[in-house]
Amino acid sequence: GAVVSQHPSWVICKSGTSVKIECRSLDFQATTMFWYRQFPKQSLMLMATSNEGSKATYEQGVEKDKFLINHASLTLSTLTVTSAHPEDSSFYICSRKNTDTQYFGPGTRLTVL
Amino acid sequence: QKEVEQNSGPLSVPEGAIASLNCTYSDRGSQSFFWYRQYSGKSPELIMFIYSNGDKEDGRFTAQLNKASQYVSLLIRDSQPSDSATYLCAVKEGAQKLVFGQGTRLTINP
Repeated sequence: GAVVSQHPSWVICKSGTSVKIECRSLDFQATTMFWYRQFPKQSLMLMATSNEGSKATYEQGVEKDKFLINHASLTLSTLTVTSAHPEDSSFYICSRKNTDTQYFGPGTRLTVL
Repeated sequence: QKEVEQNSGPLSVPEGAIASLNCTYSDRGSQSFFWYRQYSGKSPELIMFIYSNGDKEDGRFTAQLNKASQYVSLLIRDSQPSDSATYLCAVKEGAQKLVFGQGTRLTINP
């Protein structure tokens, strides 16, 4: 069964609004979770590493003030896309670290009008 | 940033044949390698991982690793239409990051 859930599975919002995406680890406490973004016909690009109880680590080129990550508990990490614009429309996927690999959530498709 | 290269395809294989997917990586020090399958509109799911040179088999899937050539491949035997998907090669970077290739789109023709 699924070990990582995401909510919502899809969201449509107006330009300038903020959107929050939740990622839950269902079977295991996760001190580390990851957020990826995938544009159509492209591969997964790591946006940031979410660390429980501390600040997220962002990849080069990812605006930390635009993509707010909160990992307040061992089972929940959230990604908030602030002041969303059409170019932020993408497939956002979180994952949980498991020993040497990662298990992915089902993804959230964001469309910004 | 370490690089992982895959042929984007599409790769078309008749049903029942062997599909061969290839991946090269730039960091000679890489130790852990993964193959994920991604259906259209879905998130990736782990198929196999391999750490040691040689072959690793799991059902119809065989991963092959050659660290000297910095090459990892995935063979799918007795290909089924349900195997049609994009296959992502991933290499572990550092303690926990995964670097993904661009993926190979595989189509199995009935």
